[in-house]
Amino acid sequence: GEDVEQSLFLSVREGDSSVINCTYTDSSSTYLYWYKQEPGAGLQLLTYIFSNMDMKQDQRLTVLLNKKDKHLSLRIADTQTGDSAIYFCAENEGTYKYIFGTGTRLKVLA
Amino acid sequence: DAMVIQNPRYQVTQFGKPVTLSCSQTLNHNVMYWYQQKSSQAPKLLFHYYDKDFNNEADTPDNFQSRRPNTSFCFLDIRSPGLGDAAMYLCATSRGATTNEKLFFGSGTQLSVL
Repeated sequence: GEDVEQSLFLSVREGDSSVINCTYTDSSSTYLYWYKQEPGAGLQLLTYIFSNMDMKQDQRLTVLLNKKDKHLSLRIADTQTGDSAIYFCAENEGTYKYIFGTGTRLKVLA
Repeated sequence: DAMVIQNPRYQVTQFGKPVTLSCSQTLNHNVMYWYQQKSSQAPKLLFHYYDKDFNNEADTPDNFQSRRPNTSFCFLDIRSPGLGDAAMYLCATSRGATTNEKLFFGSGTQLSVL
């Protein structure tokens, strides 16, 4: 079945860039997403990319998509303590079906 | 602000005692979803409603039921909670069910089973 994999933890210093990686298996996914989950809260959509794009930039966020390798990454520039959260990669299989990764816990050290 | 609201934030129930979790939305979205998220795991879709049409995922246990009395409200009923049902339950909505429908999540209900 389809699977979305992420590394579990990432620790960076405040002001540095963070790069969170994700691999997915469904080559037919049309859109790929990054969601952020703060402690005790629901998931919040950060950004998404259409599968025919290689890169999307949105302020401090840069999404890179390597469709050949089925690899998606999220780069956060100038990481702040408020960026500490769990980041989920998700792919859309079509219609209502989203497959989420297990999440990467980002810890930002002051 | 339009939003998805889940009540209660924390719910404690006893083994085998029925429990209902609530979700309401002011977005007027057609689709409402229930996800189960266990610690350090990905959210797992249990079922969703498109308007009044109920769609159950194949691997969702019969112990889990849902009701959607109107557009705004959706309930998750766990008929006989087991210890393995302790999890965060997330309600989400989307405007429709086509590709690239963004999901809007509530804050979740953390369910404990004693």
